[in-house]
Amino acid sequence: EAAVTQSPRSKVAVTGGKVTLSCHQTNNHDYMYWYRQDTGHGLRLIHYSYVADSTEKGDIPDGYKASRPSQENFSLILELASLSQTAVYFCASTRGLGNTLYFGEGSRLIVV
Amino acid sequence: GDSVTQTEGPVTLSEGTSLTVNCSYETKQYPTLFWYVQYPGEGPQLLFKVPKANEKGSNRGFEATYNKEATSFHLQKASVQESDSAVYYCALGAGTGGYKVVFGSGTRLLVSP
Repeated sequence: EAAVTQSPRSKVAVTGGKVTLSCHQTNNHDYMYWYRQDTGHGLRLIHYSYVADSTEKGDIPDGYKASRPSQENFSLILELASLSQTAVYFCASTRGLGNTLYFGEGSRLIVV
Repeated sequence: GDSVTQTEGPVTLSEGTSLTVNCSYETKQYPTLFWYVQYPGEGPQLLFKVPKANEKGSNRGFEATYNKEATSFHLQKASVQESDSAVYYCALGAGTGGYKVVFGSGTRLLVSP
């Protein structure tokens, strides 16, 4: 069974602070993704990566950075957290083209 | 860019009635189409996928046909159960040189006994 784990599972951050969300997968998958989930918007792609040390912008990358230091790990970084970034964030991994995404359980971020 | 549009929710049904969730997509590529389901407190999980045009996918009584001409992939179930209550996402996966998976806005299904 695919395994994607996220940390922290929940976080309260202050406006203007730095937030790092981490994701670890043990599937030996090349591709990893960060999505945010908001009511009415579904899942929107922030950043993704298909090889270590390289990341790609998704559909809503503004205000977010990503880091892929190894095949197993993929982080999402909010350098200056804002109220509008309050959401649930999901990490996912997959082998690649045409294959299923396996999701983590999500990280709930509240920015105050 | 690629996009997916699906039925807005919530959809409220009684057990034993039929379900249709509409999904339409736009892409210039050759996508794989997916339906994912998300239960409270969990991440989305695959319901089924269809990689080829004009083929049907199914799982747990749900089914959808990849209609390339109509660019549609509607989810159907003949008789829903209370345990089907969840959020359903239509998704499109495509890419050359990279692989992006784009999701619709999700449809919350509430089934009452």
